[in-house]
Parts: sequence; C-alpha cells; structure tokens
Amino acid sequence: QKEVEQDPGPLSVPEGAIVSLNCTYSNSAFQYFMWYRQYSRKGPELLMYTYSSGNKEDGRFTAQVDKSSKYISLFIRDSQPSDSATYLCAMSLSGSARQLTFGSGTQLTVLP
Amino acid sequence: EPEVTQTPSHQVTQMGQEVILRCVPISNHLYFYWYRQILGQKVEFLVSFYNNEISEKSEIFDDQFSVERPDGSNFTLKIRSTKLEDSAMYFCASSANGNTIYFGEGSWLTVV
Repeated sequence: QKEVEQDPGPLSVPEGAIVSLNCTYSNSAFQYFMWYRQYSRKGPELLMYTYSSGNKEDGRFTAQVDKSSKYISLFIRDSQPSDSATYLCAMSLSGSARQLTFGSGTQLTVLP
Repeated sequence: EPEVTQTPSHQVTQMGQEVILRCVPISNHLYFYWYRQILGQKVEFLVSFYNNEISEKSEIFDDQFSVERPDGSNFTLKIRSTKLEDSAMYFCASSANGNTIYFGEGSWLTVV
C-alpha cells in the first residue's frame, strides 16, 4: 500500500464550480498536511498548511483533515481557469526539518 | 515576496560527468532541502540540511550525492558520475521553522 494516495485525474470542471481534491494516507504518524499547486515544469507553490483535524479556510480554498479516517481534502470554490494546474498533497511526521511525502498529484482543468 | 532561486534552470550533461545545482534559499530561513521529480512521477525527498549538517536523507541520496552550504546564502547539490536515471527536475526548498516549506522553480537536469 502506498503511503499517500491521490486520484491522478485528470479532472475537468466548468468555471465557477466547486472542486474537491482528495488524498488518503496509510501512516497514522503523519501530523502535518499541505497542499501545493504545480504548474507545468514549475516548482510546487504552497497553498495550505494544516496540522490538526478540521477545516482551515483561506480565501477560495478550504483544507480539511480527518486524521481518524486518514483522509485530507482541498476544496476550491468559484474555480477559475487560472486554477488549472496539478494539485499535490504532501504530509510529514512530527519533528524538526520535516521531510515531505507527496501524493502523485491531481491534474485540474477549469474550463472558461 | 521572497523566493527560492535556483540555477541553472536547465542543464544537459554527459553521463559520467559531475553537476552542481545551485540554490539561494529565502533569506533568514534555517532549513534547506533538495527534492527531485522524475518526469511524470511524484516529487521525492532527497535531503534536508539544518545547522550546517544533513539532518535527514532518503535512500536515493547515496554517495553519489552531496550538499554544501559554502557561504551564508548558497546551498548546492552535487551529483557525481551522473547516470541516465538522474535525469529529473531538482527542486531546492527552504523553511524558516521546518513547517511551511517553500520551493524554487527547479533545475531541469538531462543526462545524455
């Protein structure tokens, strides 16, 4: 079983739609959870960082963590064509200099 | 906005040659990382560096690889005796506290 699983998509939605991106993980020791956005041939851009179960909102983005189910989600409201990218979930164990374990990424296209 | 900068953006090298990838982390960040992403695959952790020493490294980071912080601003990854399978995008990243990790745009290495 992979440590972090993410539906690769591709996912295509109309502009204005609510997008739901999900990851599951097997290692219950993961404590910190991140979502990154990656445009083609570019570096991952940090979108959200959470460390507790529940929801965290930032503008149009909401990150949700359910540690009991080992499941995290990213919701994008009022999606825009500029949101078209690959979304990566990443997580790490506790401790300093934490190394990230990434999901494989979900490719999202928002159609105008 | 501060950013991690990487050079070169693209390097082509012959198999067996040594390459040095350079990074300038975000000023006042204390944790530094190298990750790589083979085309079409996950972003993978290579090494983390804190307080002038390696704090964690993955199985990928064997004797072929080394890192150095030669001065107060640069962070380098050296790959000795490159192999075809070293062809990948190499990302440098930095963090102020080991929590939120920011990535550079990447150095695309092609080994021929």
